[in-house]
Formats: sequence, C-alpha cells, structure tokens
Amino acid sequence: DAKTTQPTSMDCAEGRAANLPCNHSTISGNEYVYWYRQIHSQGPQYIIHGLKNNETNEMASLIITEDRKSSTLILPHATLRDTAVYYCIVSYLDGNKLVFGAGTILRVKS
Amino acid sequence: ETGVTQTPRHLVMGMTNKKSLKCEQHLGHNAMYWYKQSAKKPLELMFVYNFKEQTENNSVPSRFSPECPNSSHLFLHLHTLQPEDSALYLCASSPGQQGEYTEAFFGQGTRLTVV
Repeated sequence: DAKTTQPTSMDCAEGRAANLPCNHSTISGNEYVYWYRQIHSQGPQYIIHGLKNNETNEMASLIITEDRKSSTLILPHATLRDTAVYYCIVSYLDGNKLVFGAGTILRVKS
Repeated sequence: ETGVTQTPRHLVMGMTNKKSLKCEQHLGHNAMYWYKQSAKKPLELMFVYNFKEQTENNSVPSRFSPECPNSSHLFLHLHTLQPEDSALYLCASSPGQQGEYTEAFFGQGTRLTVV
C-alpha cells in the first residue's frame, strides 16, 4: 500500500472550515484515498473515500488533485466534537487492509 | 454505537494468565479484523479474516491466537503476554464484498494491561 504523509497536528477555530492535507505521491492507479478519524478512547470512524473525483457527504468533502498525489479533507464547519486524530489511508477498493499511519491531531478551539 | 461490540472493555492480566477478547457483530459482515494500538503509536493491523478464513497475519507473536468460529464472532486468545503487550485492542468488521468499497466499522476496543 502507498505511504501517506500528514501534518502531525492542526488547530481550527470552531465554526470555521478545517482543511486537512495528505500527500500520497506513490499512489497507484487503482488505489483509493480513505479518511477515518478516531475520537479519544473510541474506535476509528469512517469519514469518506474517493478515487479521483471530488467527493462530498454529510460529514466532509474530499478534494483530490488531478495527479492524485495529494488530497485534502474538508470539514466545512468544525465543531468541538470534531477534535480527533484524522487518518488518511491509501488502499485498494475493498479496503481489506487498512494500514493506519500517525494521522493528524485536529484540535478545534472555541 | 457502530454495531461492533467488544468485551471486556478493560482487562488486567498477569503474565502467566490466559484470557480471551471477544468481538461480535450482527451487521452481516464477512470480514473481521484485529488491530493493536499501543500508546503514542499508530494502529497496527494484526489479523484479517474473510469468510471465517484467516487471510492476513502480520507477523504477530504466537502468544496471540485468533479464532473466528463464524462470520459474526472473532476472538483473540491471550497467553503468557508481556507488559509491552499492554495496549488498546480494536476489532473491526466490513462487508468483505470484492469489487466494491467496504467501509470498516470499529468496536470501542478492549484496554488491556499486562502486569
């Protein structure tokens, strides 16, 4: 699986958009980008995934660059409950082998 | 509530004890996973089961022994553990359908302390 690189931590003001970047320069043509998050003391939670088109759901938006070497997860209106570790993962479609990196600690502050 | 239930939530065991962690899902999923999360480390994938068959073992020491009697249940049998095995053990499941994305659902984890 391709390796991903994420910033160690980020801060965001409550109510503002949180933009979390991820680099995956060695992604192969049929690998997807997945985002999960882990709120303290809980199991990870799926957020969104995509191949090459931008994706949006009720939780977030995923913007993937045209060359697919990087992506950005956008939480449009961050709340305090969005404080968590966010993981960007590259894997094949079935997601049968999710390999987690260190992720980005997002702190949403009032 | 994700539909994946792990028991117990907390476990303290001695190095000579034998214990088991249990994971249960009634989501109709066919793939189940064990992950280990040590303090200040990323989640480590330990085992993967697809349709009750083990398809992945990431060089896990034999003192960890998984068992998948059916698609709804997954166990992790523990014996002669070391203090460095203390960690949060997470179970996950996913539909396991080939050719389409299968979102993984995680349980709340078992916090294991080896003394």
